[in-house]
Amino acid sequence: NAGVMQNPRHLVRRRGQEARLRCSPMKGHSHVYWYRQLPEEGLKFMVYLQKENIIDESGMPKERFSAEFPKEGPSILRIQQVVRGDSAAYFCASSPLFKRGEDEQYFGPGTRLTVT
Amino acid sequence: RKEVEQDPGPFNVPEGATVAFNCTYSNSASQSFFWYRQDCRKEPKLLMSVYSSGNEDGRFTAQLNRASQYISLLIRDSKLSDSATYLCVVKGAGGGNKLTFGTGTQLKVEL
Repeated sequence: NAGVMQNPRHLVRRRGQEARLRCSPMKGHSHVYWYRQLPEEGLKFMVYLQKENIIDESGMPKERFSAEFPKEGPSILRIQQVVRGDSAAYFCASSPLFKRGEDEQYFGPGTRLTVT
Repeated sequence: RKEVEQDPGPFNVPEGATVAFNCTYSNSASQSFFWYRQDCRKEPKLLMSVYSSGNEDGRFTAQLNRASQYISLLIRDSKLSDSATYLCVVKGAGGGNKLTFGTGTQLKVEL
């Protein structure tokens, strides 16, 4: 049973370019979360999605960032016009459902974004 | 006040020692509680969920005190491979189903 998959693992972009990060949840999981870890900081929640729906985007920056989880295919985190401050590790997690005791989130290996 | 607070450490302990980590959370409406470990800023890996009744998994014991809003993790007979950053994680701390992470406690187990 494959775990959460993310690609690319490393991404280098110049300032002003677009970054697209992809996440495929674990088999049987329909809930996807994105978290960001800035250098020397803890993980911060960005957005929570179900298929074709954004459930909670309270952690997303107001501009340049968007996320989707289409009916078919992986979840995409898109960052437009990247700036140096966007350099971070972006982790995706998935969970099956919200029943107490069955709601653990499992993380993918992350995408390390470097903006030059 | 941070939503989830942990002592950052580092805790340097000899192999075989028992070490305890503590964590407090600010939102009494928090729903679920977990310990994750993170190695060298790789992905966090779920160590265990934490319940009010306490739970044990081998050398690891976790405890939750809802009245004090306090979570603990005890590691017995520590191994070199236990060296990592231990993350206290709360779900529903700010409302909803997102996870809120503490900044982590670093553990170094030495020969």
